[in-house]
Amino acid sequence: DIQMTQSPSSMSASLGDRVTITCRASQDIGNYLSWFQQKPGKSPRRMIYGATNLAAGVPSRFSGSRSGSDYSLTISSLESEDMAIYYCLQSIQYPFTFGSGTKLEIK
Amino acid sequence: QVKLLQSGAALVKPGASVKMSCKASGYTFTDYWVSWVKQSHGKSLEWIGEIYPNSGATNFNEKFKGKATLTVDKSTSTAYMELSRLTSEDSAIYYCTRFDYNNYYFDYWGQGVMVTVSS
Repeated sequence: DIQMTQSPSSMSASLGDRVTITCRASQDIGNYLSWFQQKPGKSPRRMIYGATNLAAGVPSRFSGSRSGSDYSLTISSLESEDMAIYYCLQSIQYPFTFGSGTKLEIK
Repeated sequence: QVKLLQSGAALVKPGASVKMSCKASGYTFTDYWVSWVKQSHGKSLEWIGEIYPNSGATNFNEKFKGKATLTVDKSTSTAYMELSRLTSEDSAIYYCTRFDYNNYYFDYWGQGVMVTVSS
């Protein structure tokens, strides 16, 4: 199975900060990488697909990028509503696998 | 608009089975694969498997073969997952989600079903 190593596991940042979360794939996954946001008691919400494409309705402060086998989700200017857990997902090979999650808290 | 409406929470005894549903609306049910995802308390997400409603074809995570059975009822646009021989390890929230094979990601999610296995 492809392992998705996500970091950090948790972080705290101030409103307005630039925040970056990273996933590293254990094998080549091309751009078959997506990001999800999950708030307490809610279902995951799609944010980014194809490593860099913003899903419909997602604020433009969110962006995705790739450098080799490292994939990043960046929030350019943190807002209070961004407090959540973020997960990456690889969907190139069965079984699809998720990262372990990054809990983002507001200072 | 696309919606996936899941059945309610379940409390089941160890060794029993549970069957949950996921009713799709707002799109052509037979055109998209439906996946099921497990989230144990406070933990990450695990992909269980998927079913293609048009044909009934399935793909599974090896870990869940023999544990999960996926079916659909095309007449009601409903997908089902049955979990068998339940143990405490099966206590979790289970989500159904639609897979967009154009963009290769889960674009819509159900609200989740909490399953509690307890005597």
